[in-house]
Amino acid sequence: GQQLNQSPQSMFIQEGEDVSMNCTSSSIFNTWLWYKQDPGEGPVLLIALYKAGELTSNGRLTAQFGITRKDSFLNISASIPSDVGIYFCAGQTTSGTYKYIFGTGTRLKVLA
Amino acid sequence: EAQVTQNPRYLITVTGKKLTVTCSQNMNHEYMSWYRQDPGLGLRQIYYSMNVEVTDKGDVPEGYKVSRKEKRNFPLILESPSPNQTSLYFCASSLTGFSYEQYFGPGTRLTVT
Repeated sequence: GQQLNQSPQSMFIQEGEDVSMNCTSSSIFNTWLWYKQDPGEGPVLLIALYKAGELTSNGRLTAQFGITRKDSFLNISASIPSDVGIYFCAGQTTSGTYKYIFGTGTRLKVLA
Repeated sequence: EAQVTQNPRYLITVTGKKLTVTCSQNMNHEYMSWYRQDPGLGLRQIYYSMNVEVTDKGDVPEGYKVSRKEKRNFPLILESPSPNQTSLYFCASSLTGFSYEQYFGPGTRLTVT
């Protein structure tokens, strides 16, 4: 099945550092979403993007919808220990179906 | 409390023994979906439903069935489970198929031996 290329796969950072991760696709998407998953729980939506070029913030999180509609990035500023988890990007297809395609995830570990 | 519930949370079964994982939401959502999560592969959509009696295949539907007879329920059926269906399964719902806010259930960990 189709998947999004998400990088990096994992990263260790120091508390207070900024973090950046991105997602690319060979297909165009209408919507880009970013989720966070804590251990033992389902993903929780962080940010949703609907227009090419859109830049949206949610607290320390900032995400952008690439102008080609084939990529997106998520930045986390001044990371804190509770940012630990797996971050997933997801896109909704444009082909007349309403499928969601998820990235493979970025596992973030924050060192205090 | 608005939520998506799944049962069971954990299940160990044997190859070929039919099973059903239930999913229910209390938010009057039209769109419901099933995903499986495997290490290194992220979440992959199995089936989704835009509304009652309207279901469609996601990216990995083989070996699964779903039904949507009521708006709140969206069970996942494995008619003849195989070991490659060992996975963590999530149900999710959103107001409509055009809404971004997908609420996920707590997950069902299935092991098929």
